[in-house]
Amino acid sequence: AQKITQTQPGMFVQEKEAVTLDCTYDTSDPSYGLFWYKQPSSGEMIFLIYQGSYDQQNATEGRYSLNFQKARKSANLVISASQLGDSAMYFCAMREGRGTGRRALTFGSGTRLQVQP
Amino acid sequence: EAQVTQNPRYLITVTGKKLTVTCSQNMNHEYMSWYRQDPGLGLRQIYYSMNVEVTDKGDVPEGYKVSRKEKRNFPLILESPSPNQTSLYFCASTNGRANTGELFFGEGSRLTVL
Repeated sequence: AQKITQTQPGMFVQEKEAVTLDCTYDTSDPSYGLFWYKQPSSGEMIFLIYQGSYDQQNATEGRYSLNFQKARKSANLVISASQLGDSAMYFCAMREGRGTGRRALTFGSGTRLQVQP
Repeated sequence: EAQVTQNPRYLITVTGKKLTVTCSQNMNHEYMSWYRQDPGLGLRQIYYSMNVEVTDKGDVPEGYKVSRKEKRNFPLILESPSPNQTSLYFCASTNGRANTGELFFGEGSRLTVL
């Protein structure tokens, strides 16, 4: 089974509107972290937001918030007031285990967001 | 400025010609790793290193080698590149904390093997 699933290959949103990018995950480890990264057309990976499995509150970073529903194993990214510069590929990722050496992030296949004026 | 620097950013080579992609970080991070990105697959870990002289395989290590002789550098070596190694490669580093440590990525190296 895929550990990170992003079911939306592409999304469109009007400028200034909010958009939700879906992410579901699969793990039996009680300790894990969830990340969202943005990849613009230039190719670099930009860290957006982090949610720990034991965090009681949903993470927020400026216009980004993470809708964390632990029982449903979902970690959707919400972007409020979309801007043209938000057009990019967005990746959801998970790191399992407390202090594990690999510290590997498992990535989803990504969602391409296009913001329309 | 805190950064991870990769070189070269773009490379076209031919099958079998050894190449090295360099990676250097200036944040004194103990942990470094390499990922490759392919369409529809996201990023997959190739190798990682927890500290100097400590390296181990990730999910897709076949055809790659790494070394960690200094804390700041973590080169990726393709001894005999093949076309299926055409990909976008990222080096990343993080600090000693466990789950919460953000991965800092380099700008990526786009490799084409003909």
